[in-house]
Amino acid sequence: GQNIDQPTEMTATEGAIVQINCTYQTSGFNGLFWYQQHAGEAPTFLSYNVLDGLEEKGRFSSFLSRSKGYSYLLLKELQMKDSASYLCAVMDSNYQLIWGAGTKLIIKP
Amino acid sequence: GAGVSQSPRYKVTKRGQDVALRCDPISGHVSLYWYRQALGQGPEFLTYFNYEAQQDKSGLPNDRFSAERPEGSISTLTIQRTEQRDSAMYRCASSLAGSGSGANVLTFGAGSRLTVL
Repeated sequence: GQNIDQPTEMTATEGAIVQINCTYQTSGFNGLFWYQQHAGEAPTFLSYNVLDGLEEKGRFSSFLSRSKGYSYLLLKELQMKDSASYLCAVMDSNYQLIWGAGTKLIIKP
Repeated sequence: GAGVSQSPRYKVTKRGQDVALRCDPISGHVSLYWYRQALGQGPEFLTYFNYEAQQDKSGLPNDRFSAERPEGSISTLTIQRTEQRDSAMYRCASSLAGSGSGANVLTFGAGSRLTVL
């Protein structure tokens, strides 16, 4: 079967750095997405990786290793507004998105 | 429109009634997806369209659920003879690219919260 694993919840301190991991087992691979979802709101797109390596976008970076079936989202200089759920999703060989359950990130002052 | 619009935002209905949830995607977006999302979970795929063609409905839970997108724009998800277990947030998303594209970024609507009493 197809599976996406990510931690249920993480806690970090304002101003610090946090890494949210995602491991996947899917039928084929056509890219990995990270979405941010604030409580009660819709998911919004953060990043897309299809090749191995690190993609940097401001305070957020996303890393992919296809051979290991592994990705992480790195958030730097954490702000209180970063408190949200972070969803990892993989596009399989049929171009269907397989979603993880999300990681709830709690930022403490 | 500027974003994906869903209506109604909240719907309370009695068991056995039919409900219709509407999605108005971003103008020009080719693909439209319906998801269901439980609290603390990722989106659960229901069905999707490229233009007006329903490409995959494998995620629809049973034959009480149906969806259409007759003119390749607005879509309606219909649930017949609702049951309490249908209570959930129903989200629509659209993307500019067709579903066969890798970098297929989804823009989600705010969702329709369905409560079946």
